[in-house]
Amino acid sequence: ETGVTQSPTHLIKTRGQQVTLRCSSQSGHNTVSWYQQALGQGPQFIFQYYREEENGRGNFPPRFSGLQFPNYSSELNVNALELDDSALYLCASSPGLAGLNIQYFGAGTRLSVL
Amino acid sequence: DAKTTQPPSMDCAEGRAANLPCNHSTISGNEYVYWYRQIHSQGPQYIIHGLKNNETNEMASLIITEDRKSSTLILPHATLRDTAVYYCIVRASNTNAGKSTFGDGTTLTVKP
Repeated sequence: ETGVTQSPTHLIKTRGQQVTLRCSSQSGHNTVSWYQQALGQGPQFIFQYYREEENGRGNFPPRFSGLQFPNYSSELNVNALELDDSALYLCASSPGLAGLNIQYFGAGTRLSVL
Repeated sequence: DAKTTQPPSMDCAEGRAANLPCNHSTISGNEYVYWYRQIHSQGPQYIIHGLKNNETNEMASLIITEDRKSSTLILPHATLRDTAVYYCIVRASNTNAGKSTFGDGTTLTVKP
């Protein structure tokens, strides 16, 4: 148990739809990162939020967007879903930006796009 | 962050030590080696990290070569529950903690 919770656990959408995934960070953690993990591959960094501001982004198009709330929980929004968006989406929280901080991951949301 | 290379899969007998190698030949002086593992249907779990000295905690030991170009994660007495994908990550101390670069890892299968 990492204290990071994600919802929903599973989701099925059709191409072109929009989806919102949610993450509740571990208590005391003000930094949340989102990752996409395709089947058989390692997680790929999407973006990070620190104190409600986006702080770094990976190689993902603008239709991937996010929010962080005052309680440091976060949302990942994906517009105009494509078949290749099917993946496990992971949220990780840490107690700050410092490089030595350890990330704690949630169990993920499995998104299937049909 | 430096690139890491890991074997795609390894087997280990239950109760024996599992030694998982990682190559990071382009590692820089301020880059640490981190290990995470991901058990099926769960998120990655932090195991251990180190800079140049060997490290040990309740889960594992990390051995880093003197030239720091490679490292080995050691699970001293592997159990069936240690079956997972193990990721070796290199990250600088001044790099944003959230921007970890994962490769495809090593799938460790512990067999009875």
